[in-house]
Amino acid sequence: DVKVTQSSRYLVKRTGEKVFLECVQDMDHENMFWYRQDPGLGLRLIYFSYDVKMKEKGDIPEGYSVSREKKERFSLILESASTNQTSMYLCASSLPGRTEAFFGQGTRLTVV
Amino acid sequence: GNSVTQMEGPVTLSEEAFLTINCTYTATGYPSLFWYVQYPGEGLQLLLKATKADDKGSNKGFEATYRKETTSFHLEKGSVQVSDSAVYFCALSTGYSTLTFGKGTMLLVSP
Repeated sequence: DVKVTQSSRYLVKRTGEKVFLECVQDMDHENMFWYRQDPGLGLRLIYFSYDVKMKEKGDIPEGYSVSREKKERFSLILESASTNQTSMYLCASSLPGRTEAFFGQGTRLTVV
Repeated sequence: GNSVTQMEGPVTLSEEAFLTINCTYTATGYPSLFWYVQYPGEGLQLLLKATKADDKGSNKGFEATYRKETTSFHLEKGSVQVSDSAVYFCALSTGYSTLTFGKGTMLLVSP
């Protein structure tokens, strides 16, 4: 069974902290994505990666960075967490082309 | 650019009622189309997909037909259950590595 695993379901961090959200997939997918989900705004793409060490900005990259050192792992980094980054974060992976993405269970991050 | 428009919710139905959630899209090229479902507190799960015009995707009693002439991919189910209560997302992919999502439609089914 395909699997995308996010390291935490719930996370509470303080303003100004550096935050790491980890995502691992076991499907040997080339593409990996980070989205954030907010009520009324749907899913918004933060960053995606189509290969190891490659990354592309999505719609809302400000305040975030990513790392992909290995094919199976894609990390989202909040350099200095702020309260407006309180959200649900979703990781996904896919093969190249017009294919579906597989999602992790989500990380609900609260910044206080 | 690409975009997906789906009806706003919440959609409130009684058990065994017929469901339609409308979805229309704008895309360059020939997209694949998807419906995802999100249960409370969970990530998104693929519900069904269609990869070319006139294809019908189906799963768990849900169906959607890829209509190129009307650029639509409406989700239907003949008889909903309480357990179908969730948020439903329409999405497309044109092969440039990212999915474009609609904003989601919440479905609430009461006994």
